[in-house]
Amino acid sequence: AQSVTQLDSQVPVFEEAPVELRCNYSSSVSVYLFWYVQYPNQGLQLLLKYLSGSTLVKGINGFEAEFNKSQTSFHLRKPSVHISDTAEYFCAVSDAGAQKLVFGQGTRLTINP
Amino acid sequence: DSGVTQTPKHLITATGQRVTLRCSPRSGDLSVYWYQQSLDQGLQFLIQYYNGEERAKGNILERFSAQQFPDLHSELNLSSLELGDSALYFCASSATDRVNQPQHFGDGTRLSIL
Repeated sequence: AQSVTQLDSQVPVFEEAPVELRCNYSSSVSVYLFWYVQYPNQGLQLLLKYLSGSTLVKGINGFEAEFNKSQTSFHLRKPSVHISDTAEYFCAVSDAGAQKLVFGQGTRLTINP
Repeated sequence: DSGVTQTPKHLITATGQRVTLRCSPRSGDLSVYWYQQSLDQGLQFLIQYYNGEERAKGNILERFSAQQFPDLHSELNLSSLELGDSALYFCASSATDRVNQPQHFGDGTRLSIL
């Protein structure tokens, strides 16, 4: 069965610093990978997705992620964070032939001024 | 604004009761997904409907059921409620039944069982 591990439950960083949120998955077949963001009191919003092709995926709000098949990872990065990036971030995976997404437990990103 | 509407936003009820949560998908989307988000279990997929038919099932309890109506809105019915059912319930919609399509989430219904 698919599983997703987000290695950090909380990540505090200073404003304008770079950040990396880590995500590892377990799957033996072709996968689709997603990062979603959840702002306080809101639903989830898609940041970016990897379906196939280039392993470096660019998303909204200056975020990007790199698919690494050998390490089964899909880490999310941003070179310079803003206060408005404070939110919970979820990594999700699906086998290419499956009908459902499996979400990680989430990483709470806190930006300090 | 995702275009997905969930009602009510908050629901407080007692153990043993039954509630119905409603979801209107984004205009043009045919798939509706239901998720449960709790502190201990995280975000769990419950069930998916596509154009009125059940398409995929996740960790949905037998006390829970859902349906999608001809106008594509969906309802999640929770019965014989227990304290552990307290959670945030999200509905999401997508254009097709393919998991590679983006899912657009509503703001959720917060269910509190007293």
